[in-house]
Amino acid sequence: AQSVTQLGSHVSVSEGALVLLRCNYSSSVPPYLFWYVQYPNQGLQLLLKYTSAATLVKGINGFEAEFKKSETSFHLTKPSAHMSDAAEYFCAVSDHAGGTSYGKLTFGQGTILTVHP
Amino acid sequence: GAGVSQSPSNKVTEKGKDVELRCDPISGHTALYWYRQSLGQGLEFLIYFQGNSAPDKSGLPSDRFSAERTGGSVSTLTIQRTQQEDSAVYLCASSLVSDRGNQPQHFGDGTRLSIL
Repeated sequence: AQSVTQLGSHVSVSEGALVLLRCNYSSSVPPYLFWYVQYPNQGLQLLLKYTSAATLVKGINGFEAEFKKSETSFHLTKPSAHMSDAAEYFCAVSDHAGGTSYGKLTFGQGTILTVHP
Repeated sequence: GAGVSQSPSNKVTEKGKDVELRCDPISGHTALYWYRQSLGQGLEFLIYFQGNSAPDKSGLPSDRFSAERTGGSVSTLTIQRTQQEDSAVYLCASSLVSDRGNQPQHFGDGTRLSIL
């Protein structure tokens, strides 16, 4: 079974600073990994996905993530934080093990990003 | 184009009542998922529909929960005899057919359910 751990339920950065949100996964098969962002009272919006192509994945709004198999990690980064980045971020792994081949997502607990002026 | 639409956006009901939550997926998306988001449990998978295949109900927390998908499009999640622990945001997502689980899911804004 897959699982996801997000280190740090809250991260606070200053505007213009580097954003680093940590995600580690556990999977019995090569994983498909996703980062989603959730703004208050809204659903989840896809930021980026890793599906076994390039290990460095670029997403929307200047975010990117690097898949590191040796570290079982998929950390999300952005070089310079903006006030509008304040939201909750979820890392997720897709279930496609055992031939069932469907995309049920297992989510991490989420990280709330606060951006200070 | 139109995204995933969920209704109602908010629902307040008394304990013991039945509720129905509706999801209208993106046109052409054959996969449809329901998730529940609550403070204590985070985001949890509930049920999955793919085309005409039997749904995967493995995430439904009790037999008070059921869901159907009519005509391969609109889905309804029904909770019978609601309990206070059912209070949560119920999110629906849809995606293109996924034979490898690699298709991104598109989420609606959810239904916030409050049980008094």
